[in-house]
Formats: sequence, structure tokens, C-alpha cells
Amino acid sequence: EAGVAQSPRYKIIEKRQSVAFWCNPISGHATLYWYQQILGQGPKLLIQFQNNGVVDDSQLPKDRFSAERLKGVDSTLKIQPAKLEDSAVYLCASSLIPVTGGANVLTFGAGSRLTVL
Amino acid sequence: AQKITQTQPGMFVQEKEAVTLDCTYDTSDPSYGLFWYKQPSSGEMIFLIYQGSYDQQNATEGRYSLNFQKARKSANLVISASQLGDSAMYFCAMREGLSNTGKLIFGQGTTLQVKP
Repeated sequence: EAGVAQSPRYKIIEKRQSVAFWCNPISGHATLYWYQQILGQGPKLLIQFQNNGVVDDSQLPKDRFSAERLKGVDSTLKIQPAKLEDSAVYLCASSLIPVTGGANVLTFGAGSRLTVL
Repeated sequence: AQKITQTQPGMFVQEKEAVTLDCTYDTSDPSYGLFWYKQPSSGEMIFLIYQGSYDQQNATEGRYSLNFQKARKSANLVISASQLGDSAMYFCAMREGLSNTGKLIFGQGTTLQVKP
């Protein structure tokens, strides 16, 4: 089966510019996640969707970050305006609808590396 | 407080030897799941192994096993017969709650280098 697709793989922008990242999850996966991974740290959840509804966006900096998942399939994460501290890898992951007692394993994409100058 | 703690920033192991990567966790929820992921230099997070809090036996997946000590709140990953391709960053993660809809919380990671 095809994996989680993300683009672009690399992006360099100047501070105060905007950027958008795209993610296409595994077919049939209802849940989609965006994680931010700063160099040397573990990933941190930004937002979680189930179908096209938001389940958790408590750690999304809503003054500059936005995400949408129209039609419950692919998703876009936008940053506007970008700050230096937004330099990170943005990982998209997807999973099947969680089942109580199951593992609900997340499958990750290769990530989009953002450098803000 | 840190929910997931990985105290080893970097580890070395000789090819074909076994290695243990440490992970401790903190939760008051009796229902939780513990995961290990591998992140090679290509950047993709690869799922390795899962342990549920109610599982009676330690999880095993091929050369990977999870040494689950519930009372100590530790979930160490053991890699047997290390291979050069095992060189990567390894992350321990936890999800709290029975519903499995909660977010995965990751530790800081451990870099493993396998020496030929």
C-alpha cells in the first residue's frame, strides 16, 4: 500500500513569509495528525483530525498556524507569518479509526523540513 | 513534568551484539499504550513495537522486544543481534486512555550507532 505522502520535502523562507505543507494519508485512514519536530527533540502534536473534524488542536499556535482537512482526505498546514523558531520538520501521520484496546499505530510520512531565515 | 524520559542521548553498540534503550514514563491513567519508533536519517518515523498497559507478556517483534516493568514505569527497548541498518534515532512514546484516540507523547530520543 502507498504510504503517507508529504510535500514539499524542503522549504526555505524568510521570517514573516508564509508557507504551506500538504499531506495525503494512507487510503482509508480516518485519523490524520500533524506533528512538529524541532532538531534534537521528539515530535510534538500540533493538530489531530478525525475525518474532517478537529479532535485536538490544543498545542497549535493559532495566531500563526492553521490546518484544514477538507473532505476528510488530504490536509494542508499553513504558517503565516513564519518566525525563526518555526524552523523544524513537520511530520504528517495517519491511522485507522481507533479501536478500544487496539494499538492504533500511526504511520508517518517522510516529513517537510522548514528553515526560516 | 516529563511524561516520557529517555536518559541516553547517544548509544554505541558493536554489530551483532544486543543493546537496551531506556524509557521511563509518568502517568496516573491505568490505561495506556507504549510505543517505540525508529527514525533513520531519511526522516520517516517507523513503528517498531507496542505494549498495552494490561498486556501480561512483554511484546516481541522479530529482533525487537520490550522489557515492560509496570511497577517501575519503564518500557525499555531491547534490540538483539544489532545490524548496521539499526543506526538511527529511537523514540519512546505513550498514549493515555482506553479509547486510543489520545495523542502520542514522545520522548527526546536516543541516537544509536552500530559499529562494524
